[in-house]
Amino acid sequence: NAGVTQTPKFQVLKTGQSMTLQCAQDMNHNSMYWYRQDPGMGLRLIYYSASEGTTDKGEVPNGYNVSRLNKREFSLRLESAAPSQTSVYFCASKERGIYNEQFFGPGTRLTVL
Amino acid sequence: AQSVTQLGSHVSVSEGALVLLRCNYSSSVPPYLFWYVQYPNQGLQLLLKYTSAATLVKGINGFEAEFKKSETSFHLTKPSAHMSDAAEYFCAVTAGGYNKLIFGAGTRLAVHP
Repeated sequence: NAGVTQTPKFQVLKTGQSMTLQCAQDMNHNSMYWYRQDPGMGLRLIYYSASEGTTDKGEVPNGYNVSRLNKREFSLRLESAAPSQTSVYFCASKERGIYNEQFFGPGTRLTVL
Repeated sequence: AQSVTQLGSHVSVSEGALVLLRCNYSSSVPPYLFWYVQYPNQGLQLLLKYTSAATLVKGINGFEAEFKKSETSFHLTKPSAHMSDAAEYFCAVTAGGYNKLIFGAGTRLAVHP
């Protein structure tokens, strides 16, 4: 099992450009998550999908959109990138159940110039 | 609302010394708590989790944590630090009907010879 995979690993954008970060999991998990990690701020939830067909906002959703394409895939889109969106982005997945932990992908390092 | 505070953004110990990383939480419902570790340029890996079955929880790599409801704490300890323990450590608490996690800001552990 590959677990949670993310593409690309690195990306540099200019202000105003758009892009989509891809995430896939092969563990048949119901829930999927997108976080951003900034120095000294831990991980902050952008959006999550508790199950296929549903998405909800997290702490910092402004400037982002998501699509739960199917049970395996959950993409994050930046429509018009801004320098404030320079960050490391992590995708995670989790099986249904209150005790279950989230499994994380390796991250995408995004720089917006 | 749930929140997590990690005291000390940087902790430095000698190899062989006790590791103590502090985590205090706030939760309006019975909490479930997690410790994750992040090695450089990697995603997060689960160290251990508290699910109310036992207050002293043992995890991987010799780490353990004790849930103390009266102190709203879930501190992480390891009796003897190894160089390989150098990483960033995150405490997290369940939120949003147990569908989400709220992360602390993280503690970077340095281990010196």
